[in-house]
Amino acid sequence: DAKTTQPNSMESNEEEPVHLPCNHSTISGTDYIHWYRQLPSQGPEYVIHGLTSNVNNRMASLAIAEDRKSSTLILHRATLRDAAVYYCILRRNSGGSNYKLTFGKGTLLTVNP
Amino acid sequence: SAVISQKPSRDICQRGTSLTIQCQVDSQVTMMFWYRQQPGQSLTLIATANQGSEATYESGFVIDKFPISRPNLTFSTLTVSNMSPEDSSIYLCSVPGTSGNEQYFGPGTRLTVT
Repeated sequence: DAKTTQPNSMESNEEEPVHLPCNHSTISGTDYIHWYRQLPSQGPEYVIHGLTSNVNNRMASLAIAEDRKSSTLILHRATLRDAAVYYCILRRNSGGSNYKLTFGKGTLLTVNP
Repeated sequence: SAVISQKPSRDICQRGTSLTIQCQVDSQVTMMFWYRQQPGQSLTLIATANQGSEATYESGFVIDKFPISRPNLTFSTLTVSNMSPEDSSIYLCSVPGTSGNEQYFGPGTRLTVT
């Protein structure tokens, strides 16, 4: 599986935007970029995913570099509830039968009030 | 979305004993996954459990240590056998969403082995 690299930790202030980077220089053409987050004492939850184009949903936006070697998860207005570990994961062939997720260390996001 | 419950939520067990963790999903799913999260670490996939077939284990995990049952499309169990303190972890089950894009995770079972 292609590897992702994320900063160990980031800090933000409440109500400000947060940009969480992820490098995946060995990404293949069939790899989808998925983001999950794990709030304290909970299981991970799906945030967003994309292939080539930028994506938006109610939780976040995903900006994907043109060469796909990096991506950025954008939280438009951080709240205290967004404090979590954020995982950037490459998954081959989204949908179908390949659901396996390989978690890296992720980025611990701290949100200051 | 899928709602997943796990039992027990936490347990403290003695070395050498076994614990069976239950995972219940509110909808029928073909695939279920079991993960382990050791203290301060990320999640590691233990095995994939398909209903009606043997579970598929990842490298480093064996059936004798982590036997899995999948009796129907909404339920699975993971047993942690002959436990040692190194087995102290959070064990999570997950299922894919209907779109195939996302996975839903249970709340986890926090196991402490003394």
